[in-house]
Amino acid sequence: EAGVTQFPSHSVIEKGQTVTLRCDPISGHDNLYWYRRVMGKEIKFLLHFVKESKQDESGMPNNRFLAERTGGTYSTLKVQPAELEDSGVYFCASRSMNTEAFFGQGTRLTVV
Amino acid sequence: RKEVEQDPGPFNVPEGATVAFNCTYSNSASQSFFWYRQDCRKEPKLLMSVYSSGNEDGRFTAQLNRASQYISLLIRDSKLSDSATYLCVVPISSGSARQLTFGSGTQLTVLP
Repeated sequence: EAGVTQFPSHSVIEKGQTVTLRCDPISGHDNLYWYRRVMGKEIKFLLHFVKESKQDESGMPNNRFLAERTGGTYSTLKVQPAELEDSGVYFCASRSMNTEAFFGQGTRLTVV
Repeated sequence: RKEVEQDPGPFNVPEGATVAFNCTYSNSASQSFFWYRQDCRKEPKLLMSVYSSGNEDGRFTAQLNRASQYISLLIRDSKLSDSATYLCVVPISSGSARQLTFGSGTQLTVLP
């Protein structure tokens, strides 16, 4: 069974540019989460989808971040325009009702 | 007070040693707890779940103390391959959503 996959694995962009991260959850997992770890800090929650609906987006830092999950399958997280402090590793996780959360390998974003 | 706090580490121990990490949580309503392991530049992976007083799996023992609101992870006969960052994770309910809240992680290095 395929795990949670994220694309790209690394992204280096200039301040002010736009980047879109993609997450493909495990098939059948209704719950999809985005998390972020910035340098030296703990992993922090960004938002939670149940199917295509945003259940909780309280962790989104500001309106430069936009997450979507059209059709309740894969999800995208767009940062526009990117700032230096957005650098970090962005993790996606998915779970069904009765499983633990499985994480993708993360996207390492560097804004220069 | 942070929602989830862990021993800062790092812990450097010789092979074969026993090492223990502690984690405290602030939400007394939390019912389940997890220890995740994260290798360098990899995604977090579930190590153990704790739902009642504790859980044991081979060399790993997790204990829960609800009165004092802490969980611990004990590793016996440590191996070189145990070197990783250990993350204490507590699901926090936010309305109808259930997000994972991470501790900052404890870094363990097992030395030959």
